[in-house]
Amino acid sequence: NAGVTQTPKFRILKIGQSMTLQCTQDMNHNYMYWYRQDPGMGLKLIYYSVGAGITDKGEVPNGYNVSRSTTEDFPLRLELAAPSQTSVYFCASSYSTSQAYEQYFGPGTRLTVT
Amino acid sequence: KNQVEQSPQSLIILEGKNCTLQCNYTVSPFSNLRWYKQDTGRGPVSLTIMTFSENTKSNGRYTATLDADTKQSSLHITASQLSDSASYICVVSADSGAGSYQLTFGKGTKLSVIP
Repeated sequence: NAGVTQTPKFRILKIGQSMTLQCTQDMNHNYMYWYRQDPGMGLKLIYYSVGAGITDKGEVPNGYNVSRSTTEDFPLRLELAAPSQTSVYFCASSYSTSQAYEQYFGPGTRLTVT
Repeated sequence: KNQVEQSPQSLIILEGKNCTLQCNYTVSPFSNLRWYKQDTGRGPVSLTIMTFSENTKSNGRYTATLDADTKQSSLHITASQLSDSASYICVVSADSGAGSYQLTFGKGTKLSVIP
C-alpha cells in the first residue's frame, strides 16, 4: 500500500491564481481530512469528508473548496490564492471516527503564495 | 476553548540520553490523547493513542503517560537515537457527540539529538 499520497510536493502561486492540491489514499478509508500547518503552529482542520459525496467544513475553511467523488480521492481547491494561504498542507485519512481511530497522514504540499 | 500546550518548545540532547516531553490540555469532553512524531518535511506518524482509562502506553523506546485528573501527559524517550530528531506533537480528541470527535493539535516540541 502507498498509503496517503499528495501532489504536488511544492508549489509557488501568484496572488489571485488558483490551484488544486491532490490527495489519494489506497486503504479504503471512509474518512479523509485536509489540514494546514503554519510555522510554529499546530495543525488546523480545513475540511473533512465522511464518505464519497459528503464533505463538511473544519476550523479554517475560508478560501478553500473540496469535493469527494470517490472513496480514494479528496482534492482541495484554492480559488484566488492569497499570501495568508502560504502554508504546508497535509491530507489524512482514517477508517472511522470511532473513539481511538488512527489518522494516516500524507507527506504534505508546501505552498507559497507571493 | 479547547487548548493543548506543549513544553519545552525545543530540546537538544546527547545521543543515548533520555528525555521527557510534556503536554497539558484543556479539552472537554476528553476522548483520547495521541502523540505523533513528525520528521522534517514529512507528515505526522502516530506513536501512541491513550483513552481515559489508560495511564501509560509504550511503543518501543517511547512511553506515554496520561493523568486525566490533572489533564497532563508526558512522552518519555529512552536511550535516544539520532533518528529521534523530529517534532513531537500532542493531540487531544474531544467527543463532539453523535459519534464525531474533534482533534486539537499542540504546536509540538522540536527535539534534536546530537552525537
